[in-house]
Amino acid sequence: ELKVEQNPLFLSMQEGKNYTIYCNYSTTSDRLYWYRQDPGKSLESLFVLLSNGAVKQEGRLMASLDTKARLSTLHITAAVHDLSATYFCAVDESRTYKYIFGTGTRLKVLA
Amino acid sequence: NAGVTQTPKFQVLKTGQSMTLQCAQDMNHEYMSWYRQDPGMGLRLIHYSVGAGITDQGEVPNGYNVSRSTTEDFPLRLLSAAPSQTSVYFCASSYSRRGIGGETQYFGPGTRLLVL
Repeated sequence: ELKVEQNPLFLSMQEGKNYTIYCNYSTTSDRLYWYRQDPGKSLESLFVLLSNGAVKQEGRLMASLDTKARLSTLHITAAVHDLSATYFCAVDESRTYKYIFGTGTRLKVLA
Repeated sequence: NAGVTQTPKFQVLKTGQSMTLQCAQDMNHEYMSWYRQDPGMGLRLIHYSVGAGITDQGEVPNGYNVSRSTTEDFPLRLLSAAPSQTSVYFCASSYSRRGIGGETQYFGPGTRLLVL
């Protein structure tokens, strides 16, 4: 059974600092997704990572995928308040089309 | 394009009542799915469909039924509502999942359900 774990679950950081969110998954997959959710809102896609070593960057966020370690990271550079949200990773289970989410990381960036 | 739409936005049910949560997409997406979101538990997959006429169970299917008679619509039925089904329900779709994969999902705005 595919399990997806994120850490930390909560993250409070100062503006201007760097930090990394980790996403581990339990079975073979080479497709990983990152989403953002603002309070009371729906989910919005951030990144799609489709192969080992894939790296995607958008603004202050950079995501990478290591399929051998079954690990993805979401790195935040010089955080700003607007990045405060909950971030989810998701993995789709090969051959079954099941799409499993991590529990999310709630990020709060303090001014 | 309206994207993924869900109705209603909010619903209150009494224990034992049944209801249908509606989901529609106008992007000609093959893959559609239903999730529930509970505090501290992320999103959990209820049911999903890889195309019209094809559905399958996700992580937490008990108490829910689905059908997919058209590409556009994917309703979720609560057969006999229970307080444990109080949650926020999201519908999502993606372009294709038949042997290709790798497409992000587009989410609807959600339905907040309270079962008393």
